[in-house]
Amino acid sequence: GAGVSQTPSNKVTEKGKYVELRCDPISGHTALYWYRQSLGQGPEFLIYFQGTGAADDSGLPNDRFFAVRPEGSVSTLKIQRTERGDSAVYLCASSPDGRSYEQYFGPGTRLTVT
Amino acid sequence: DAKTTQPTSMDCAEGRAANLPCNHSTISGNEYVYWYRQIHSQGPQYIIHGLKNNETNEMASLIITEDRKSSTLILPHATLRDTAVYYCIVRVGSSNFGNEKLTFGTGTRLTIIP
Repeated sequence: GAGVSQTPSNKVTEKGKYVELRCDPISGHTALYWYRQSLGQGPEFLIYFQGTGAADDSGLPNDRFFAVRPEGSVSTLKIQRTERGDSAVYLCASSPDGRSYEQYFGPGTRLTVT
Repeated sequence: DAKTTQPTSMDCAEGRAANLPCNHSTISGNEYVYWYRQIHSQGPQYIIHGLKNNETNEMASLIITEDRKSSTLILPHATLRDTAVYYCIVRVGSSNFGNEKLTFGTGTRLTIIP
């Protein structure tokens, strides 16, 4: 079956612009996670959704970052007033529910802020 | 979640067993040991997890010491496709809602040598 998909695969934007990154989880998975990975580092947790609600947003670095999952499937990560330090690979993962031991990761969106 | 310590990099000859160590000396009684790997330009992939007993699946074996302060991931017959960064993660058991995020370190970069 289809895995987690993320679009776009690459995004280049100018400093100060607004960007949206999309994640399509595996069908039926109620848990969805966003992570950010900087060069040479492991992924860093941003936010976790259980259904439509954000169960844990403790990893969002500041109020320029926001994520939604209005219908409990597709999620969008939104970044306002982008900064060069936001450049990273943004990874999305899903699992059948929050208690599942395995998270299934997408290929990521590489964001470059110039 | 408890912190983990892994070697930065390791090499292994193709066809030999790759043994990847991980120290997690502050692990709590309800924390599991998880292993994920990340092949270049892909999202992380779940390998195996365990609490205190040794575990084996089609990908690997996990050996956890009796005091649970360290573990070893074993890839029995390494192939070139096993070249990746391997992450050892300690995470509260999946029965505890609200602790579903994965906390990645920098992992071990395993290179399989032809």
